[in-house]
Amino acid sequence: ETGVTQSPTHLIKTRGQQVTLRCSSQSGHNTVSWYQQALGQGPQFIFQYYREEENGRGNFPPRFSGLQFPNYSSELNVNALELDDSALYLCASSLKVNYGYTFGSGTRLTVV
Amino acid sequence: RKEVEQDPGPFNVPEGATVAFNCTYSNSASQSFFWYRQDCRKEPKLLMSVYSSGNEDGRFTAQLNRASQYISLLIRDSKLSDSATYLCVVTGRGSTLGRLYFGRGTQLTVWP
Repeated sequence: ETGVTQSPTHLIKTRGQQVTLRCSSQSGHNTVSWYQQALGQGPQFIFQYYREEENGRGNFPPRFSGLQFPNYSSELNVNALELDDSALYLCASSLKVNYGYTFGSGTRLTVV
Repeated sequence: RKEVEQDPGPFNVPEGATVAFNCTYSNSASQSFFWYRQDCRKEPKLLMSVYSSGNEDGRFTAQLNRASQYISLLIRDSKLSDSATYLCVVTGRGSTLGRLYFGRGTQLTVWP
């Protein structure tokens, strides 16, 4: 059974650019959540997808958007990147909403 | 006010010491409680769930006081390998079901 995999592991982008981060959920997991972890802070909830539908969103602007595909993999898209978007982006999958979560190893995004 | 408040530390203790971490949470309707461990530049990993009756896993003991909205973690006989950041986590309920709310983490360094 494979765990949660995220790609890429590291990324450097310029302010104003757009980025897409990818997550393959653990086999059988239909719920995917995305978190942003700034340096020295705990992860902050961005949004959650359940069976291809957004199922809750945290306090992030609309330039943060996502998708979940029929195989339950997911994408996080960020438009008009800002310096403060530099962070570790974590994907977590779960068998169902509010069940045990497994985290991927994250994508470290640096915006310059 | 943040959902979960933690003392960020750092805590620097010698091997064999006993160390305690605490956190408080603001939403009395929070449903589930956890301690996660995060090694430097890695993803958070579930250390243990926390129950009102208190629970123990080897050298680790977790306690929950719902009346005070207070969660604790006790580590006995600290090992060098316990050096990490410990994240206090609560889950949402109702419209925020499935969200994990993280504290900013408490950094622990165990020295020889």
